[in-house]
Amino acid sequence: GAGVSQSPSNKVTEKGKDVELRCDPISGHTALYWYRQSLGQGLEFLIYFQGNSAPDKSGLPSDRFSAERTGGSVSTLTIQRTQQEDSAVYLCASSFEGGPYEQYFGPGTRLTVT
Amino acid sequence: AQRVTQPEKLLSVFKGAPVELKCNYSYSGSPELFWYVQYSRQRLQLLLRHISRESIKGFTADLNKGETSFHLKKPFAQEEDSAMYYCALSSPGAQKLVFGQGTRLTINP
Repeated sequence: GAGVSQSPSNKVTEKGKDVELRCDPISGHTALYWYRQSLGQGLEFLIYFQGNSAPDKSGLPSDRFSAERTGGSVSTLTIQRTQQEDSAVYLCASSFEGGPYEQYFGPGTRLTVT
Repeated sequence: AQRVTQPEKLLSVFKGAPVELKCNYSYSGSPELFWYVQYSRQRLQLLLRHISRESIKGFTADLNKGETSFHLKKPFAQEEDSAMYYCALSSPGAQKLVFGQGTRLTINP
């Protein structure tokens, strides 16, 4: 079947604007993760969903960042009042269950804040 | 605190030579260790994990709890091995992956 998909693939926004990034996980995967890949910071965990609930939000860098998941499927990561330091590639991954299972990654959304 | 360290940002070896990508971790318990790889213009994908004790594309990795290391090795490098390699850790009961900074491996012809 299809892999994890993310949209948009690229997003350029002005500082101060809000952005929404979308992730469609692999069908049947109950666990969903958001990571951020930025220069000098490597890959950082942001948030984990099991079904529609988010038991681990420890990686969200500030209250400008939020995420939700509906129907146990699609997830949206929202960044409010974007800052230049938010520029990064945002990766979504899904797995069959939470835990040490293989995580399947999407192609990422490259966010550029000007 | 959980931490994964990949000391080499860049590694360049010749085709046919052995390659070793280093990974050290900081965790007091028994973590799950993984190697993920990202080839040019492809998405990040799992290469191997220590619980599987398998060899993928000729690569192996042994968990050394005494040295807290999980180095990735291949006896004879091939040009198609050129990629970005990430070592990652998952602690029992947790779901997130903690990644190292990554090593860009280049195999020269």
